[in-house]
Formats: sequence, C-alpha cells, structure tokens
Amino acid sequence: ETGVTQSPTHLIKTRGQQVTLRCSSQSGHNTVSWYQQALGQGPQFIFQYYREEENGRGNFPPRFSGLQFPNYSSELNVNALELDDSALYLCASSFLGQGNEQFFGPGTRLTVL
Amino acid sequence: AQTVTQSQPEMSVQEAETVTLSCTYDTSESDYYLFWYKQPPSRQMILVIRQEAYKQQNATENRFSVNFQKAAKSFSLKISDSQLGDAAMYFCAYRRSNAGGTSYGKLTFGQGTILTVHP
Repeated sequence: ETGVTQSPTHLIKTRGQQVTLRCSSQSGHNTVSWYQQALGQGPQFIFQYYREEENGRGNFPPRFSGLQFPNYSSELNVNALELDDSALYLCASSFLGQGNEQFFGPGTRLTVL
Repeated sequence: AQTVTQSQPEMSVQEAETVTLSCTYDTSESDYYLFWYKQPPSRQMILVIRQEAYKQQNATENRFSVNFQKAAKSFSLKISDSQLGDAAMYFCAYRRSNAGGTSYGKLTFGQGTILTVHP
C-alpha cells in the first residue's frame, strides 16, 4: 500500500448536490493530482496542485475545484453534480521534480443518482 | 495533445507463461516518460515499470520488461512467468518531461487492458 489515503471510500449523492472528497498525501510530497476514472476506463486528469496553487488543469468544467493545504492534504469539490460525475476519483501525490513517481490513493467511489 | 492507445481490452495467460500487452502513443515532444500501472480489483494503482524516452535501453523490473520503440511510438509490456497475482487492469501512461511547467505531473492514460491469469 502507498502512504496516500482518501476519504470517504464510497459516497452516494443526488443530482444537483455538492460533494467534497479528501486526500492525504504521502509524507514529504508537495504535489497532488486528481483524476476521474469512469467504470472500465483509464483515469482522466482533473487538475494538479503544487504548494497550494493550481498548477494545471484538464478538460473539466469550473464546477470541479480543489484546495491544497499547508500540510499537503487536498480536497476535490464538485458542485451541481451530474449523473456523468459518477466515477472513481483518485488522488496521486509526488514530490515535484524530474522523474519522481506518483503514488495513488485507493480512490473514492462516487455515485450520483 | 498527447494520446495513449491500448488496443487490447482483455488478455489472458496461463500461469507461468509469458504475455505481452501493447500500447501506442502520440506526442510531438522528444523527451517524456512512459509508465505501466497495475490496478488490481478494488485496490490501489501501483507503478509496475517506467521508461525514460531518452534512454535507449529497455527498462526491466524482475519479471516485467518493456519493448520501447521510440520511432514507432510503441511501448509494450512483457510479463514473464505469469502469476495469479498479476491479474489486474493494466494501464499504459505518458507524462511529459519538462519540470516546472504547468500540469507537470499530468499522466495521460490509455483505456486499459484487463489481464486474466489462468491456473
């Protein structure tokens, strides 16, 4: 197991609601990335945070937002949930630098009804 | 934009045999990293093997090795002496090499290949 943890494990929401997912990075890591993985698909990059600033974003609308805290934990917030937001959400932490490996958390399974 | 394609949705292998998973990618950059990740059912994604594009030598990690063909933009994974614990979804992924830029850590994944290992 990696040192990256995520909470909650599972979550059920209804369309239009808001959700916050949490990630605790591995000790010593200063970068966190979030991915959305639809069932049977590869993960899609949502955004990356480095030293509490967003440092890159994939093709996701503004209702997907995030935070990174001084202790390098992170949150993913999704507003106005849609049915298509149902997916496994993964966070991955790393230390910014050439070639450094990203370590993934176990993910949060979000179901939107 | 970079793309990664895995053309084999499912593969199967007998225990102790060898299997090769295929991956092709597209990029205009000359320096980058390629990865194979393993995602067991309901378990965390873990890195299997990594290849730096500037290195001509193919990476090897125990029973896992790659065949990196830069000109053909091909990056296959060979698993030797397959074990039951190798059963998982395998993802090929790309990451650009430029440190300090935005989205530095962005991994672009393929669609995945489900590997079944038969006893």
